[in-house]
Amino acid sequence: GEKVEQHESTLSVREGDSAVINCTYTDTASSYFPWYKQEAGKSLHFVIDIRSNVDRKQSQRLTVLLDKKAKRFSLHITATQPEDSAIYFCAASRDSNYQLIWGSGTKLIIKP
Amino acid sequence: GGIITQTPKFLIGQEGQKLTLKCQQNFNHDTMYWYRQDSGKGLRLIYYSITENDLQKGDLSEGYDASREKKSSFSLTVTSAQKNEMAVFLCASSSGTGFEQYFGPGTRLTVL
Repeated sequence: GEKVEQHESTLSVREGDSAVINCTYTDTASSYFPWYKQEAGKSLHFVIDIRSNVDRKQSQRLTVLLDKKAKRFSLHITATQPEDSAIYFCAASRDSNYQLIWGSGTKLIIKP
Repeated sequence: GGIITQTPKFLIGQEGQKLTLKCQQNFNHDTMYWYRQDSGKGLRLIYYSITENDLQKGDLSEGYDASREKKSSFSLTVTSAQKNEMAVFLCASSSGTGFEQYFGPGTRLTVL
């Protein structure tokens, strides 16, 4: 079946540095790519998404890049803060009638 | 704003037992989801529902039943609990598939 992979299970960066979390997907027809954040002991919440009609989307310190040729998308966090520490999940789906396929999560650790 | 509530927070059952998990949302969302999150892994879709009385199977539906009798509620039944399905079960809702999902706090299932 179709897959979404997050190759880094853990990523550690110094506070104030940038962090990049990468995902790859297998379904060429994927067109919707959301990111969710799960803080310790809490449930998931949405952070940002991108659709395949654009290759970049920014919201404050977060930027998502999409490379459809490479079937890769990434979440960039600038000026990291302690509250960015969490597990980040990427996901992909074909369109509004298809279920999301989820990655396994990347744990982001922000070191002081 | 709105909220998703899941009951119970912790569910302990015996192997082979039938168990029911409940979810309520007050966002007035049409679409609701049930996911299973195994420790250290991503989310897998069990069932989703795009409107009242609708049910759609996800990749992990075997061994589960679901019910959407009202727009605001979505319940999941584990038909015969097994030790290998000890996990956190997450309920979510959205205004439609392909849109931001809002997650509940989860029900942690333990099977003795």
